[in-house]
Amino acid sequence: DTGVSQNPRHKITKRGQNVTFRCDPISEHNRLYWYRQTLGQGPEFLTYFQNEAQLEKSRLLSDRFSAERPKGSFSTLEIQRTEQGDSAMYLCASSLPPGGLSTDTQYFGPGTRLTVL
Amino acid sequence: AQSVTQLGSHVSVSEGALVLLRCNYSSSVPPYLFWYVQYPNQGLQLLLKYTTGATLVKGINGFEAEFKKSETSFHLTKPSAHMSDAAEYFCAVIPGSYKLIFGSGTRLLVRP
Repeated sequence: DTGVSQNPRHKITKRGQNVTFRCDPISEHNRLYWYRQTLGQGPEFLTYFQNEAQLEKSRLLSDRFSAERPKGSFSTLEIQRTEQGDSAMYLCASSLPPGGLSTDTQYFGPGTRLTVL
Repeated sequence: AQSVTQLGSHVSVSEGALVLLRCNYSSSVPPYLFWYVQYPNQGLQLLLKYTTGATLVKGINGFEAEFKKSETSFHLTKPSAHMSDAAEYFCAVIPGSYKLIFGSGTRLLVRP
């Protein structure tokens, strides 16, 4: 179990540029989540994949944001025409479906910290 | 709407003292409850979770939490604080589906 990995760990970009982040989930975890965490706040849900299907997108995910999970393995989160308000920590988590009457446990990666100048 | 309230953005304790971090939730369905810890510039690590069954849940690093339905609370405790416990702690709820809803966090400071 190598854990959830995210790359890059840090990204500094200028306003208006496009950026792409990658998340590699724990192997065999078919559920994958993206969250955004701004300074002094808890993480907020952005989107959820089960295998390659994107099943839910938050209203926080504007048209400039797109997430993919080809082949149900790694995922990418792209932000087009970045704005200063996009500066945040972007966290990825993965999980297995729960057994019985329970819920899954989400395991988080180290995050990608985005700074938009 | 489901929500999580963590009372106190900062809590300061002396090394060896009791740690108490408060969490209250609102949920229209029986919730699943979690505590995560975040060290500087790192992701979130699961401390413990409540799904069903015993309401007193034990986690890693000596932490435990008790689910009190009548008080809609899930407070986190540790009998004796250690310097290495200094971090940000997040309470979270899954109100029936899969989406974690987090509180705003409590930063724990441990004084020598």
